[in-house]
Amino acid sequence: AAGVIQSPRHLIKEKRETATLKCYPIPRHDTVYWYQQGPGQDPQFLISFYEKMQSDKGSIPDRFSAQQFSDYHSELNMSSLELGDSALYFCASSTDQTQYFGPGTRLLVL
Amino acid sequence: KNEVEQSPQNLTAQEGEFITINCSYSVGISALHWLQQHPGGGIVSLFMLSSGKKKHGRLIATINIQEKHSSLHITASHPRDSAVYICAVSKGRQLTFGSGTQLTVLP
Repeated sequence: AAGVIQSPRHLIKEKRETATLKCYPIPRHDTVYWYQQGPGQDPQFLISFYEKMQSDKGSIPDRFSAQQFSDYHSELNMSSLELGDSALYFCASSTDQTQYFGPGTRLLVL
Repeated sequence: KNEVEQSPQNLTAQEGEFITINCSYSVGISALHWLQQHPGGGIVSLFMLSSGKKKHGRLIATINIQEKHSSLHITASHPRDSAVYICAVSKGRQLTFGSGTQLTVLP
């Protein structure tokens, strides 16, 4: 069965650079969620989209933005990267309350 | 106080043992999720519960809504069960995660 796809799987950036993470939900899933998990930390909810509209907002920094496109894929744009942004970024998709997680993008900011 | 508390934080068991991981939450929720995270980071959804009990293979999850408590049980544990088990609660569409329980099952 198709799963949530995230790209890239690994990304290395320098401070003050920008990064774009992509998430392709399971077909026919209408909701996408983004989570950030710092080293040794719990995953933290960033933002979610339902039917291409932002539905919930968590602890997403102002330097980050996200959107969901007409094909339901989502992109998380991160600007002015800081060392503290180094983390595993998960995307999940759902049609109801069961969220299916992608493998994550591991971002390292040097 | 965190909204979602898990215990124990770390658990080491011998292969074949019965394992219980507990989760307590302090807020109203629409559902509770048990997730498994393996080294390298991938998260797998094990159960979503809003009441009662669910079973999948050797895994059993229960929830007591009145007591705001859930347990994840693993019967006949195996080294391949070694992972971090995370309890998460959903209020609306977002999840709030517990700190996870690191389970190590020794052969």
